[in-house]
Amino acid sequence: GAGVSQSPSNKVTEKGKDVELRCDPISGHTALYWYRQSLGQGLEFLIYFQGNSAPDKSGLPSDRFSAERTGGSVSTLTIQRTQQEDSAVYLCASSFTATVGGYTFGSGTRLTVV
Amino acid sequence: TQLLEQSPQFLSIQEGENLTVYCNSSSVFSSLQWYRQEPGEGPVLLVTVVTGGEVKKLKRLTFQFGDARKDSSLHITAAQPGDTGLYLCAGYNNDMRFGAGTRLTVKP
Repeated sequence: GAGVSQSPSNKVTEKGKDVELRCDPISGHTALYWYRQSLGQGLEFLIYFQGNSAPDKSGLPSDRFSAERTGGSVSTLTIQRTQQEDSAVYLCASSFTATVGGYTFGSGTRLTVV
Repeated sequence: TQLLEQSPQFLSIQEGENLTVYCNSSSVFSSLQWYRQEPGEGPVLLVTVVTGGEVKKLKRLTFQFGDARKDSSLHITAAQPGDTGLYLCAGYNNDMRFGAGTRLTVKP
């Protein structure tokens, strides 16, 4: 597609349940990033994929968070046993290279844990 | 502690006024980017600056990268209500780290 697509756009889940968030990057973009944005805050880096290299998971806040990228394209961010503090907007971005070039962001998934 | 400190955190001005927002760090970056984010949307890239001292203009927006590549400023001339949004700076060194943003409101 023309842009980065994220689904669902909104997700309400009960505390303790698992959720999966999906990101379809721009075709041909080798780098893919996940960020988390809490209300009124900047973007918190979560994880970064570059081509076939091992992902940089240094930003994942706990072992309840994991992500994978299949076939160098679609990525899924999984949060297990969700907690209320996981409530945030989860943003995905892709770029043509991992270096200087700017990111194209999706519109995000707003996750609410009740 | 934010790697990139943005100031002010909030700014509310009247249409037609000028403003400057700042992005500061103790780290040197190979490049720095500015994004604007509107409610319910992801950030949209405005500009990338790479060279220390570089100045880029985008219509009424002027971006400057500090000589030491640690800081940047964004100046808006004759602000319009359409400029309202969250302005984020992001510094790149192996990965991109974002500041908390300046939330700008331009009142008609």
